[in-house]
Amino acid sequence: AQSVTQPDIHITVSEGASLELRCNYSYGATPYLFWYVQSPGQGLQLLLKYFSGDTLVQGIKGFEAEFKRSQSSFNLRKPSVHWSDAAEYFCAVGARAAGNKLTFGGGTRVLVKP
Amino acid sequence: EPEVTQTPSHQVTQMGQEVILRCVPISNHLYFYWYRQILGQKVEFLVSFYNNEISEKSEIFDDQFSVERPDGSNFTLKIRSTKLEDSAMYFCASKPTQELGNEQFFGPGTRLTVL
Repeated sequence: AQSVTQPDIHITVSEGASLELRCNYSYGATPYLFWYVQSPGQGLQLLLKYFSGDTLVQGIKGFEAEFKRSQSSFNLRKPSVHWSDAAEYFCAVGARAAGNKLTFGGGTRVLVKP
Repeated sequence: EPEVTQTPSHQVTQMGQEVILRCVPISNHLYFYWYRQILGQKVEFLVSFYNNEISEKSEIFDDQFSVERPDGSNFTLKIRSTKLEDSAMYFCASKPTQELGNEQFFGPGTRLTVL
């Protein structure tokens, strides 16, 4: 069965500082991996995704993530955080089946200090 | 930009009542999903729907739940007799094609409160 762990429930970072959010997954084959962001009162917005190929993927809003098969990880990074990045971030793994359901991690809430 | 919409944004109901949560997926999308998030917990998959039938469902999706695409635009989730533990945020999502790994587009959610 597929599963996702996000070890950090909350992270506080100063504006302008770098951010890294951890994600570890369990899946029996090469996974599809996603990072979604949820701002208050909003739905889930896709930041980036990994299917195959280059293990460093670029997303929207200046985010990137690196797939490391040996560590079963897909950590999200941003070099310089903006106050608008305060939100909850979800890592998800997608099944390699037509229905393609997503299995989510518990989320990491990011707070940005001025 | 096309988006998934959900109504209502917040639904309050009494235990034992039936509720219908409504979603309008993005036009021309073929796959539809419901997920839920109980407060403080993970977003959980409930059901996927394709070609007018359920393609997969989780163990949460028992006989109290049903989904329907009554016309060409709406996708509904019905809970027949709500329980306190059904209180959660319910997200609808849609995906354009059968291609593996396509992005799912999520709606803003409906917060269901069962009293």
